[in-house]
Order: sequence, then C-alpha cells, then structure tokens
Amino acid sequence: QKEVEQNSGPLSVPEGAIASLNCTYSDRGSQSFFWYRQYSGKSPELIMFIYSNGDKEDGRFTAQLNKASQYVSLLIRDSQPSDSATYLCAVTMYSSASKIIFGSGTRLSIRP
Amino acid sequence: NAGVTQTPKFQVLKTGQSMTLQCAQDMNHNSMYWYRQDPGMGLRLIYYSASEGTTDKGEVPNGYNVSRLNKREFSLRLESAAPSQTSVYFCASSSRGRASGGRPDNEQFFGPGTRLTVL
Repeated sequence: QKEVEQNSGPLSVPEGAIASLNCTYSDRGSQSFFWYRQYSGKSPELIMFIYSNGDKEDGRFTAQLNKASQYVSLLIRDSQPSDSATYLCAVTMYSSASKIIFGSGTRLSIRP
Repeated sequence: NAGVTQTPKFQVLKTGQSMTLQCAQDMNHNSMYWYRQDPGMGLRLIYYSASEGTTDKGEVPNGYNVSRLNKREFSLRLESAAPSQTSVYFCASSSRGRASGGRPDNEQFFGPGTRLTVL
C-alpha cells in the first residue's frame, strides 16, 4: 500500500463548476498536509496546506482534513481553464517531520 | 534570489555510466530533498537531508547516493546508471523552523528539474 494515494484521473470538470480532489494517507501520525499544483513541464508549487481537522479556505480553494478517516481533499470553486494541471497531495511522516511523501497526483482538466 | 537551481537540465547516459546531479539553494533553508518523477507516479522521495550534516533514505533510495556538501548544496549520484533510472529529477528545499508570511515552514520550493535518459 502506498503511503499517500490519489486517483490519477483525468478528472474533467466544466468551467465554473466545483472540482473535488481526494487523497488518503496511511501514517496515522502525520501532522502536515499539502496540496501542490504542477503545470505540464513545470515544477510543483504549493497552493494549500492544512494541519488541523476541518476546513481551510483560501480564495477559490478549500482544503479539508479528516484525521480519523486519514483523508484530505481539495475543492476548487468556480473552476477556470487555468486550473487545468496535476494536483499533488503531500503528507509529512510521523517518523520525521522533514520526510514528505507525495501521492501520484490527479490530473484535472477544466473544459470551457 | 535564484531560489533552487539544478544542473544539468538535460542528460543522456549509457547504461553503467555514472554521474552527479547538482542542487543548490540560496534561501538559507535547512532541509533539502531529491525526488524523481515518472509518468503517472507523482513524486517519489529518493533521499532527504533534514539539516546540514544529516541524510536519510526516502521511498526509492536504491541505486543512488547523496552528499549534503554544505547548507546550500545537496548532490545526487548515480554510480552505475540503469534504464530504470530514466526520469525527471527534482531537488527541493524547505526552511524547517522559520515560518514567515503565513506560509508553513515545511513548504517545499522546487528546482526546475533535470531530465535524465539512460540508454
């Protein structure tokens, strides 16, 4: 079992709709959770992070964390064509807070 | 600030050859990382260095060695390249201990990547 799992997609969402991306992790001691966005041929960049159970909102992005279910999600409201990218979930390991493991990524496509 | 730089950008090797990928950061970060990215596999952690003077194995360390030369530089060495090591390699760094501007202290900043092909 991979330590961080995501559906690879592609996930196709119409422009203006809500895109929902999901991630599960296996290490119950994980403390920090991240969503990175990666455009094709580019490097990943951080868009959201969350440490506590519940929701965290930043503009059109909402990160949701449920530690009991070991589940993290990212919602993108009012999806734009510029949101088309691969979204990578990343989690710190309990054994070392510096050890950060990524999921395989979900490719999101926003159709006009 | 250049951020995280990697050299070379592209490299083609023959099976059995060796090479070193270089990474440097000018952000005074404590932690540095090497990942590889294959199609559909996301980023897989090869090695990381939580602080100067320490290195630890990640998910896929076999066939690689690393050196944390100083606080700025973290190199990745392939002693005997194999076709299975064909990939895009990303170096990253994070401050670890100095959060600022509402950003987490373990936010990773990535270099532009090295595209390696082993024939």
